[in-house]
Amino acid sequence: AQKVTQAQTEISVVEKEDVTLDCVYETRDTTYYLFWYKQPPSGELVFLIRRNSFDEQNEISGRYSWNFQKSTSSFNFTITASQVVDSAVYFCALGTSYDKVIFGPGTSLSVIP
Amino acid sequence: ETGVTQTPRHLVMGMTNKKSLKCEQHLGHNAMYWYKQSAKKPLELMFVYSLEERVENNSVPSRFSPECPNSSHLFLHLHTLQPEDSALYLCASSGTEGTEAFFGQGTRLTVV
Repeated sequence: AQKVTQAQTEISVVEKEDVTLDCVYETRDTTYYLFWYKQPPSGELVFLIRRNSFDEQNEISGRYSWNFQKSTSSFNFTITASQVVDSAVYFCALGTSYDKVIFGPGTSLSVIP
Repeated sequence: ETGVTQTPRHLVMGMTNKKSLKCEQHLGHNAMYWYKQSAKKPLELMFVYSLEERVENNSVPSRFSPECPNSSHLFLHLHTLQPEDSALYLCASSGTEGTEAFFGQGTRLTVV
């Protein structure tokens, strides 16, 4: 069975603080994909990153960085120097094929000016 | 026009009404999806179409009926819905090689 856990339901930070969103996954498949999406108040989910199970390199994109660790089945997301525009719900997702993707429950991030 | 477009953005319907949600993608993808997002619940995959063939139906009640006439269009036909069906309905599209999905802005449905 596959599962995605985002233990943090809601997080509030003050602008310019760093924040890490946790994601822990479970799967028995050896080939899988991990994703992060952002859902701003407008409703649409915006794709942020995809990582496949064979690529454990961490990635940095501007103020965003991702830490993938297979040993702990985690794929955490860090926002550096947070901004008010980062306020949104963030979803971690796990997929073993295009038609088998499950989403975590999401973490609601509020960045306070 | 690019991306994934959903219409209408908001819909209020009575329990005896029949309505349809429309989704259109201009990304050249060959897989399309309907998701349901209810308050305080994880995103639920309802239907998956690949090359216009339905490949997944996660035990969705028959009052929801999808239609995929071509690879760019996806509909969700609604009839005799219940108040608990009120939710945000999201359409998405992707390739079929483990690629990321691109989502529309959703239809906020309220059943009264």
